[in-house]
Amino acid sequence: AQSVTQLDSQVPVFEEAPVELRCNYSSSVSVYLFWYVQYPNQGLQLLLKYLSGSTLVKSINGFEAEFNKSQTSFHLRKPSVHISDTAEYFCAVSVSTNAGKSTFGDGTTLTVKP
Amino acid sequence: SAVISQKPSRDICQRGTSLTIQCQVDSQVTMMFWYRQQPGQSLTLIATANQGSEATYESGFVIDKFPISRPNLTFSTLTVSNMSPEDSSIYLCSGYTGQGYGYTFGSGTRLTVV
Repeated sequence: AQSVTQLDSQVPVFEEAPVELRCNYSSSVSVYLFWYVQYPNQGLQLLLKYLSGSTLVKSINGFEAEFNKSQTSFHLRKPSVHISDTAEYFCAVSVSTNAGKSTFGDGTTLTVKP
Repeated sequence: SAVISQKPSRDICQRGTSLTIQCQVDSQVTMMFWYRQQPGQSLTLIATANQGSEATYESGFVIDKFPISRPNLTFSTLTVSNMSPEDSSIYLCSGYTGQGYGYTFGSGTRLTVV
């Protein structure tokens, strides 16, 4: 079975600073990887995903994540954060043989301070 | 991608009563899932809602407590039965539309049991 570890439960950062939210996964088969964002009092939204091909994937709001197979990681980065990026971020993994069922990490709370 | 309407968005219920949560998808989805998100925690999968048949429950969740229906490919309900304060949580439904496309989530139901 697959598993996901988000290494930081809380990440405080000042506005316009860079940020990295770390995610490691474990699986014996090939995987699909996802980052979801949950703004306060809302449901989860898909932020970006890695299915295959280029290991660097980007979202429309400036986030990017890189799939590193050797390190089994899928860290999320943004070079300059905004107050509006304050949210909970969840990393998730599903295996290609059962792509409909995802396993979620415990989440990382990103707090952007002015 | 699919859009999921979930209702109610929140409710305060008396212990011993039941609440039914509905999710309506604007297009057909292959699979639907129900999650629970307790305060400050990640998502826990309750069950997979199967169209026209009994849901598939995860360990620790039973049909008598969380009956689920999915009469067609675009609609599902979750009932939280005989509620206690420990059932206070956010309940989320999600839809999965195809291999590796990630989940679409409803906006969640914030349940408080008093």
